[in-house]
Amino acid sequence: GAVVSQHPSRVICKSGTSVKIECRSLDFQATTMFWYRQFPKQSLMLMATSNEGSKATYEQGVEKDKFLINHASLTLSTLTVTSAHPEDSSFYICSARVTRRTERMEGYTFGSGTRLTVV
Amino acid sequence: GNSVTQMEGPVTLSEEAFLTINCTYTATGYPSLFWYVQYPGEGLQLLLKATKADDKGSNKGFEATYRKETTSFHLEKGSVQVSDSAVYFCALSDRNNAGNMLTFGGGTRLMVKP
Repeated sequence: GAVVSQHPSRVICKSGTSVKIECRSLDFQATTMFWYRQFPKQSLMLMATSNEGSKATYEQGVEKDKFLINHASLTLSTLTVTSAHPEDSSFYICSARVTRRTERMEGYTFGSGTRLTVV
Repeated sequence: GNSVTQMEGPVTLSEEAFLTINCTYTATGYPSLFWYVQYPGEGLQLLLKATKADDKGSNKGFEATYRKETTSFHLEKGSVQVSDSAVYFCALSDRNNAGNMLTFGGGTRLMVKP
């Protein structure tokens, strides 16, 4: 259980266009979704935290107008890279926090990632 | 603030060698600790976790023990395989952090040669 489906897995777009990345929780309600970015051979960097029905909280240095996050429902969060440029090429991964109170478990499940290449 | 420090890679081992990847952390509260693995071209997968001091997480032959006294969570495996070649990330989640997001270490690339 606790699967997050992320699409697309790979996308190549032209500079100046926008790209939307979707993350869907398939068998649980994701009230909070985290969006990470991973540069080649580097660690994950948290970009923003999105909560269902409210505005996302962005980390310092992340442009809100460039990386639009929408979390309109408990099962869907989207990241839109607007007016993409080659420097936006990266691996983007979403993550949802999973809490199962009956088992006192806490964990995070990740999407499979989206490799964005802007040409 | 919270931070996670991992040994830098790449770590190159021969098949069946013993593996240790060091991880130490700094946290303001009582964190849960995780190891994630990222195989080439794929997203992250949870490898194991521990939620309190002295807990041992284990999976697929990998183990890590939550050591509060040394603030460490070193990853070990007795005999690595070529299929273990991947990048390993140590991470923590601080329960006292309202956001409960993960803080990651820098990742350690493991290369296992036949």
